[in-house]
Amino acid sequence: RKEVEQDPGPFNVPEGATVAFNCTYSNSASQSFFWYRQDCRKEPKLLMSVYSSGNEDGRFTAQLNRASQYISLLIRDSKLSDSATYLCVVNRGNQGGKLIFGQGTELSVKP
Amino acid sequence: DAGVTQSPTHLIKTRGQHVTLRCSPISGHKSVSWYQQVLGQGPQFIFQYYEKEERGRGNFPDRFSARQFPNYSSELNVNALLLGDSALYLCASSLGLAGGTYEQYFGPGTRLTVT
Repeated sequence: RKEVEQDPGPFNVPEGATVAFNCTYSNSASQSFFWYRQDCRKEPKLLMSVYSSGNEDGRFTAQLNRASQYISLLIRDSKLSDSATYLCVVNRGNQGGKLIFGQGTELSVKP
Repeated sequence: DAGVTQSPTHLIKTRGQHVTLRCSPISGHKSVSWYQQVLGQGPQFIFQYYEKEERGRGNFPDRFSARQFPNYSSELNVNALLLGDSALYLCASSLGLAGGTYEQYFGPGTRLTVT
């Protein structure tokens, strides 16, 4: 079993739809949590960090449930430009900078 | 301000050869991490360097090595290349030892093809 697992994709949604990505992690020592976005053949870019209290950045809302070891990302009013692969990422904290990535979920927003 | 830069952008090598990839972190960042991303997968951690010392190593064979220079730039070396080494190699920089609040920022990557 992989340490970070995400919903298999791809997700195909119309513009304006709300889409939710789910992610689970297996190591309870994980301390920091992130969502990265990766466009085709480009580098991953940090979308947002995820905090225990939940956090929002415009149309994007991230939630963390430490008890269930579950992370989510909600995108409201999706735009064509949101089409990308979304990567769930955790860091154990006691291993310095080692980021552990999920396999990614591809999102395609159609007109 | 320039972001993380990597060179070369693309590289084609044959099996058994050696390759050196280079990375310059964001100005003021002292930590560099290397990741390998094969098609269809998320990036996998290879190394982290901070203040010129190795601070973390992933599950990669000894054919992979790296170092960090006094100006915080870094090199990743891979010896005796195998077909399975074909991947996008990503460098990430952070202010300090990542984890906690030190977020990592990625360079555009070097796409290595081994034939």
